[in-house]
Amino acid sequence: GAGVSQSPSNKVTEKGKDVELRCDPISGHTALYWYRQSLGQGLEFLIYFQGNSAPDKSGLPSDRFSAERTGGSVSTLTIQRTQQEDSAVYLCASSLRMNTEAFFGQGTRLTVV
Amino acid sequence: DAKTTQPPSMDCAEGRAANLPCNHSTISGNEYVYWYRQIHSQGPQYIIHGLKNNETNEMASLIITEDRKSSTLILPHATLRDTAVYYCIVRVDTSGATNKLIFGTGTLLAVQP
Repeated sequence: GAGVSQSPSNKVTEKGKDVELRCDPISGHTALYWYRQSLGQGLEFLIYFQGNSAPDKSGLPSDRFSAERTGGSVSTLTIQRTQQEDSAVYLCASSLRMNTEAFFGQGTRLTVV
Repeated sequence: DAKTTQPPSMDCAEGRAANLPCNHSTISGNEYVYWYRQIHSQGPQYIIHGLKNNETNEMASLIITEDRKSSTLILPHATLRDTAVYYCIVRVDTSGATNKLIFGTGTLLAVQP
């Protein structure tokens, strides 16, 4: 595809369930970011992958959050035992290299009920 | 920490130039100034970036002061579609964890008809 693709676009889940959010970056992009944005708030950095380097996980809010990037391409953000405060839009971005512009997907809106 | 300071909101008349200020008094010599914007319900969009010299592209101009402690993003002829939150970000231009994009609270630019 031409841009960063995220799926699903919307997800409603029950409190305590696990969810997986998917990000397909632009082909050939080595850097990948995950952010979350609560209603009316700014973007909160979660995790950053750069090539084969160890990811920067410093933004993950708790050990219920984890992310993988397989084969340097697709990434999955997993939230275990979801809580209502996890409700937010989760945004993924990719860039060709670490120092070039980042392209964002449209996000996944997660609602925990 | 975002390392930048921006006014929370600004208004601009349609067709006029919009001048968005950003303070980054602690910027380091190897840090670039990046601007992104986020239109309601969309992912952020890259606008422009620079190190020392003023930069211009099809979207905007970036004016960086000589001491690099502040900058101004200029939209030469604002339209209603430019209504968005504008983020000023400083980041190093090298590999590694410190290269991640950290968003602050930004400036909500409201273009008035």
